[in-house]
Amino acid sequence: GQSLEQPSEVTAVEGAIVQINCTYQTSGFYGLSWYQQHDGGAPTFLSYNALDGLEETGRFSSFLSRSDSYGYLLLQELQMKDSASYFCAVRDRSISSGNTPLVFGKGTRLSVIA
Amino acid sequence: EPEVTQTPSHQVTQMGQEVILRCVPISNHLYFYWYRQILGQKVEFLVSFYNNEISEKSEIFDDQFSVERPDGSNFTLKIRSTKLEDSAMYFCASSPLQAGENYEQYFGPGTRLTVT
Repeated sequence: GQSLEQPSEVTAVEGAIVQINCTYQTSGFYGLSWYQQHDGGAPTFLSYNALDGLEETGRFSSFLSRSDSYGYLLLQELQMKDSASYFCAVRDRSISSGNTPLVFGKGTRLSVIA
Repeated sequence: EPEVTQTPSHQVTQMGQEVILRCVPISNHLYFYWYRQILGQKVEFLVSFYNNEISEKSEIFDDQFSVERPDGSNFTLKIRSTKLEDSAMYFCASSPLQAGENYEQYFGPGTRLTVT
């Protein structure tokens, strides 16, 4: 089976930097994704890491260490609109080949305060 | 920008009734998925669909569930006899044939199903 662990809640100040960690256990691994979900909204894709290292997309960066089964999402210059839930997700090759479904973590609720 | 659409946005039904949730995936996508999210919990995979057949399904997707692509645009999820525990937000997602570097899945806005 697969399991992903991430903190349930994080609070940070507007303009600050916040890091949301994710550790995973899978029988196969084929990449770590991050999705953002605002209350009542759909998950939207933020980033994907297949290889070790840091991927940067604007204010958001994502990091992966395959040897540690660990990744994180880094949000810089926080804005109030960043208040949302953030989910890490894996494509677990052991589930299937081809169009592998996503297995999500329980999500981290980020609250940005003034 | 193309997007996944879902109807209805909210469905209320009585226990034991059948419901059909509808999705229109992005037009050039060929992989389709249904996920559900019970209030306050994580998003859970139900089923994936490719080339007019189910390619993967989770243990949640039991005999009460079925999926269909009745025409070239719609993708439906049917629950034959709803139970209280089926109350959740149901998300449809799609992805292109060539997943690209990011294997991004595009989610619809969801249908909130309430079973009373």
